[in-house]
Amino acid sequence: KQEVTQIPAALSVPEGENLVLNCSFTDSAIYNLQWFRQDPGKGLTSLLLIQSSQREQTSGRLNASLDKSSGRSTLYIAASQPGDSATYLCAVRVADKLIFGTGTRLQVFP
Amino acid sequence: SQTIHQWPATLVQPVGSPLSLECTVEGTSNPNLYWYRQAAGRGLQLLFYSVGIGQISSEVPQNLSASRPQDRQFILSSKKLLLSDSGFYLCAWRDRGYNEQFFGPGTRLTVL
Repeated sequence: KQEVTQIPAALSVPEGENLVLNCSFTDSAIYNLQWFRQDPGKGLTSLLLIQSSQREQTSGRLNASLDKSSGRSTLYIAASQPGDSATYLCAVRVADKLIFGTGTRLQVFP
Repeated sequence: SQTIHQWPATLVQPVGSPLSLECTVEGTSNPNLYWYRQAAGRGLQLLFYSVGIGQISSEVPQNLSASRPQDRQFILSSKKLLLSDSGFYLCAWRDRGYNEQFFGPGTRLTVL
């Protein structure tokens, strides 16, 4: 059974820091991995999608890497801003379904 | 471009009352559709998914059911709500030929 874990569960940092959020999964047989952002009381916003054959994807200040063989992904956020404050979720796709981690709650203070 | 709608945005219902939440997707055809629940302090739980009209897969046996009467319409229902049905309900879609999954704005359900 696929299990997805995210560490840390919560993170509070001053503005301007570079951050690394971690995601691990137990079964390497995945189609892809997707990172999402969720603001309080809102739906999920897709940030990055990494196919199983890819090693990383970049969008603006965000960079996500994937090491499928070791069951790990990281989301790197450069030069964090207060607007980055949200919960970040990773999810792996298995067949037609996404299996989600429990998220990292990020707070960036000025 | 594609958009996904959910309604209502918030709902307060008494225990034992029926439920109907609706989700529609625009700008695509024959998508995979999903219903998730996010309970307070817990992760996202997949409830149902559908790969076509009338095709529903249930992930968790519970007090809820789902239907897909049209290609881009997905409905979540209950005949009698329980307190434990409270939560944030999210609908999502994914194109067959494209891997990224997109979510709707969600419905906050409170059962009293």
